[in-house]
Amino acid sequence: EAGVAQSPRYKIIEKRQSVAFWCNPISGHATLYWYQQILGQGPKLLIQFQNNGVVDDSQLPKDRFSAERLKGVDSTLKIQPAKLEDSAVYLCASSFTGESYEQYFGPGTRLTVT
Amino acid sequence: GENVEQHPSTLSVQEGDSAVIKCTYSDSASNYFPWYKQELGKGPQLIIDIRSNVGEKKDQRIAVTLNKTAKHFSLHITETQPEDSAVYFCAGLNAGKSTFGDGTTLTVKP
Repeated sequence: EAGVAQSPRYKIIEKRQSVAFWCNPISGHATLYWYQQILGQGPKLLIQFQNNGVVDDSQLPKDRFSAERLKGVDSTLKIQPAKLEDSAVYLCASSFTGESYEQYFGPGTRLTVT
Repeated sequence: GENVEQHPSTLSVQEGDSAVIKCTYSDSASNYFPWYKQELGKGPQLIIDIRSNVGEKKDQRIAVTLNKTAKHFSLHITETQPEDSAVYFCAGLNAGKSTFGDGTTLTVKP
């Protein structure tokens, strides 16, 4: 079974530029999560989708971050404009359903904002 | 919201010794407590989990215990090996939302 795929793996941008990350969850998984992991900290949930609907985006900085999951499969997370404090690893995870507790993580995208 | 605290932040043991990592949580409604292992450059990988109706769970060299009254849970690794070296995260799940601890860097010295 293929795991969660993410791209790109690394990205370096200047502040005020925009960036987008892509995630392809495990086939058949209805729930998709985006996490931000700052160096030395645990992952922090940004947004959770159930199929193509948003379940929780309470910690998403909506003035600069946006995410979508068209057709309930792939998802993109965008930052515009980026700030220095956005430097982090962005992790995508999926689970079979929202009630299925096991989450499977992708390798993440390491973003550096200079 | 939920708050999960994890201790220690770093742990160094000799190969063959045991390692224990502890977490406390604040929300008594949390009902699922997974542990993840994260190696350098990789995403977290689930290694063991426990649900709120169970006090202990074991899988070969790793075990997790849960004390609901005290709101804390622990990861136990016995007979540690160098390949156990990684960052370990605990988490608590409430209403489908996971809150993670800040991780423990475990180093197993050969």
